[in-house]
Amino acid sequence: DTAVSQTPKYLVTQMGNDKSIKCEQNLGHDTMYWYKQDSKKFLKIMFSYNNKELIINETVPNRFSPKSPDKAHLNLHINSLELGDSAVYFCASSQGGLYTGELFFGEGSRLTVL
Amino acid sequence: DAKTTQPPSMDCAEGRAANLPCNHSTISGNEYVYWYRQIHSQGPQYIIHGLKNNETNEMASLIITEDRKSSTLILPHATLRDTAVYYCIVRGRANDYKLSFGAGTTVTVRA
Repeated sequence: DTAVSQTPKYLVTQMGNDKSIKCEQNLGHDTMYWYKQDSKKFLKIMFSYNNKELIINETVPNRFSPKSPDKAHLNLHINSLELGDSAVYFCASSQGGLYTGELFFGEGSRLTVL
Repeated sequence: DAKTTQPPSMDCAEGRAANLPCNHSTISGNEYVYWYRQIHSQGPQYIIHGLKNNETNEMASLIITEDRKSSTLILPHATLRDTAVYYCIVRGRANDYKLSFGAGTTVTVRA
C-alpha cells in the first residue's frame, strides 16, 4: 500500500486553465503539506494543514488554494495556470503537527503548463 | 533561519562508507539537524535527525560535533541505490519548525 499517494502523476495543460492535484495518506497522520520543486530542483514549502486547519501558508499566489476535506486528504487547486507554475508538486504527511520533522512524501505530480 | 552549507557534489565507491559533511555554524540550542535524500524522480525520504548526540539507525549514522556547528552523515556501506541528492536541514522554533530544503549534495556511488 502506498503511504502518500498523489494523482495525477503527470499533468499537461494550457495556460489559463484550472487544475487540481489530489493527495491522500493512509498513515493516520494529522498533518499534511504541499511542496513545490521547480526546474532548479529547489523544494519549497507551500502549505501545511494540521487536522484540517491551515497552519503554514507561505508566500504563494492566491491562485493556489489548498483544501483539506478530512485529515487524510489535502488537495491543491490551481486557477489560471501560468508558465511559471510548471514544476513537480509533492505532498507529504507527518504525525504531531509541526513538532515533528519526519515527513513522508508522495512520489510527486509533474505539472507542465504550455 | 540557521543556514546549512553542503558541498554540491561528491563521489564514493560502492561498498565503502560515504561521509557527507554539513556546516551549520549559526544553529541555535533548540534546533535539530535533519537529513533527507531524494533519489531521482522520487519524493524526498527521511534518513535521520539529531540534536546533539550522535544517532544511528538502519540507514545511516549522524555525527554532530560538540559545538554543534557541523555534522556528518555516514552511509556505512554505500550501494548504487544510494545515489541521490542529500539534504542537511536545520529545523526549530526560529523557522517555525518548517522543513526548508537547500541545494543539497549530489552523491554518486560508483561501482
